[in-house]
Amino acid sequence: DAKTTQPNSMESNEEEPVHLPCNHSTISGTDYIHWYRQLPSQGPEYVIHGLTSNVNNRMASLAIAEDRKSSTLILHRATLRDAAVYYCILRYYGGSQGNLIFGKGTKLSVKP
Amino acid sequence: DTGVSQDPRHKITKRGQNVTFRCDPISEHNRLYWYRQTLGQGPEFLTYFQNEAQLEKSRLLSDRFSAERPKGSFSTLEIQRTEQGDSAMYLCASSAAPGPTVETQYFGPGTRLLVL
Repeated sequence: DAKTTQPNSMESNEEEPVHLPCNHSTISGTDYIHWYRQLPSQGPEYVIHGLTSNVNNRMASLAIAEDRKSSTLILHRATLRDAAVYYCILRYYGGSQGNLIFGKGTKLSVKP
Repeated sequence: DTGVSQDPRHKITKRGQNVTFRCDPISEHNRLYWYRQTLGQGPEFLTYFQNEAQLEKSRLLSDRFSAERPKGSFSTLEIQRTEQGDSAMYLCASSAAPGPTVETQYFGPGTRLLVL
């Protein structure tokens, strides 16, 4: 799986939008982009995934660059509960490998 | 609650002792994963099962580590002769994936191991 690069940390104010960037310049055409987050003292949880088109769900939106070399996770209105480490992960589904490869992620702090 | 559960949540042991952790996946999930997470790092893959078959093991899984999923339901991870470097959070995840399709992994709360 190709590598991703994320900022170590970001800060946001409560109720403001947050844009979490991820660079993946070596992404292949068949790699899916996944985002997971890990709240303090909990296991990671799935946020969203996409391949080429932008995606929306109840938690967030995923904006994927046209060349797919970067993506942005968008939290439309940050709440204190969104304070977590956010992981951007590329995943290829064509082989037998099943695991996710986590980097260090971006630690998001939300200020009231 | 039908999420992934892990037991125990915390374990303190002395170096050299054996420990065993249990993971109960979401019912009918055929895939089960074990990860290890140390402070300030993202989770690292250890091993995974498809039903009862252990399909892949990481290089991190030394011969002191063994994992089983005897009936394709719950799984156990045993660490023999623990070392201080084994201190970490051990995470279990499960998913329902019929094949090489996009899957969502559901994680448990983890077992935090401290080896003194």
